[in-house]
Amino acid sequence: GENVEQHPSTLSVQEGDSAVIKCTYSDSASNYFPWYKQELGKGPQLIIDIRSNVGEKKDQRIAVTLNKTAKHFSLHITETQPEDSAVYFCAATPYSSASKIIFGSGTRLSIRP
Amino acid sequence: KAGVTQTPRYLIKTRGQQVTLSCSPISGHRSVSWYQQTPGQGLQFLFEYFSETQRNKGNFPGRFSGRQFSNSRSEMNVSTLELGDSALYLCASILGGNANTGELFFGEGSRLTVL
Repeated sequence: GENVEQHPSTLSVQEGDSAVIKCTYSDSASNYFPWYKQELGKGPQLIIDIRSNVGEKKDQRIAVTLNKTAKHFSLHITETQPEDSAVYFCAATPYSSASKIIFGSGTRLSIRP
Repeated sequence: KAGVTQTPRYLIKTRGQQVTLSCSPISGHRSVSWYQQTPGQGLQFLFEYFSETQRNKGNFPGRFSGRQFSNSRSEMNVSTLELGDSALYLCASILGGNANTGELFFGEGSRLTVL
């Protein structure tokens, strides 16, 4: 079945710098790749997603890139702010089981003032 | 518009007991998924229900079960609790029929501690 690997597990960056989180997936038929942000004591919340027919997508300070050939996708956060501190999860939806999402293991992002 | 509601938020059980967790999805959402979140394993898919039918199941033992009612509310049950079942159980609903049709909306979770 689908497997999603996420790196790094923890990331600390200076406020104002950029942060990059990388994920790889195993099922070449996966076609939907969302990113979720989980703040302390809350459930994960979608921040951006990308579909397999698109190579890059941006939303203000957040961007996601997808390389279908290499089967990896990345989250880029620019001009980081304290409120960006959270756990981030990448995910992939396998074509064979489109009603479930497989999540990466998460990245704890800390923004240093 | 009310979000996904999970009850109870916190509970403590002892080994061997059973527990039932409840999830009310966003109005109009017919698909409900359940995930187990632990520090070491991340978010693990348990099962997904759509129109009262289980469509997908993750790799969990038969002690974990669920159901969905005609109003889309869902419950999950864990029997014969083990220490390793201590986790945050998250429920998520989606408007579309499949996870790749849009955003999963998560509840805040039910934190289960097994002593």
